Amino acid sequence: LAKTTQPISMDSYEGQEVNITCSHNNIATNDYITWYQQFPSQGPRFIIQGYKTKVTNEVASLFIPADRKSSTLSLPRVSLSDTAVYYCLVGRSGNQFYFGTGTSLTVIP
Amino acid sequence: GAVVSQHPSWVICKSGTSVKIECRSLDFQATTMFWYRQFPKQSLMLMATSNEGSKATYEQGVEKDKFLINHASLTLSTLTVTSAHPEDSSFYICSARAASGTYNEQFFGPGTRLTVL
Repeated sequence: LAKTTQPISMDSYEGQEVNITCSHNNIATNDYITWYQQFPSQGPRFIIQGYKTKVTNEVASLFIPADRKSSTLSLPRVSLSDTAVYYCLVGRSGNQFYFGTGTSLTVIP
Repeated sequence: GAVVSQHPSWVICKSGTSVKIECRSLDFQATTMFWYRQFPKQSLMLMATSNEGSKATYEQGVEKDKFLINHASLTLSTLTVTSAHPEDSSFYICSARAASGTYNEQFFGPGTRLTVL
């Protein structure tokens, strides 16, 4: 099981771009990288998933270098409502997720 | 995206009683569902993997006789906390796996807050 390491917390001002990096040095060949967002007392919400290079959707981008030992979630122009905990998960498609500590993002007005 | 519901959203019970929590995939079939527990200010902890029509697989340290899981259909899994005690008070979250194209995603329910008095 690939272990992930993320910063415990981050602060950002409204309107800025936020990049959260996750390290997963022992990622396996068949593992995907998935990011979730969680608000207090709610279930995690899927943000983005990728295998390599760059993936972009309407809310975020995911950058994965060639060695896949890390990944960066990029949130463009954050707002106060983006204050949440962000989890980076690594695992084989369809398998269990083991959550790490996550990154608590606080957006400051 | 796919929707997963949980019922109830919160429950308060007396110590020694049993509580059943339902997890439903509303618009897709889920051959696999997962149950997590989350204590305040902590991360989610995987409790068990539930496969439709077969016995659940429990993570190390999770008592299978205390946390009964049933996955009788492709859209419903239940978690029963038997003889609940105050230390079982937690936020219980389920997720369901949906296959979509190349990737498989897990969709999470809104969670159930259990308080044992």
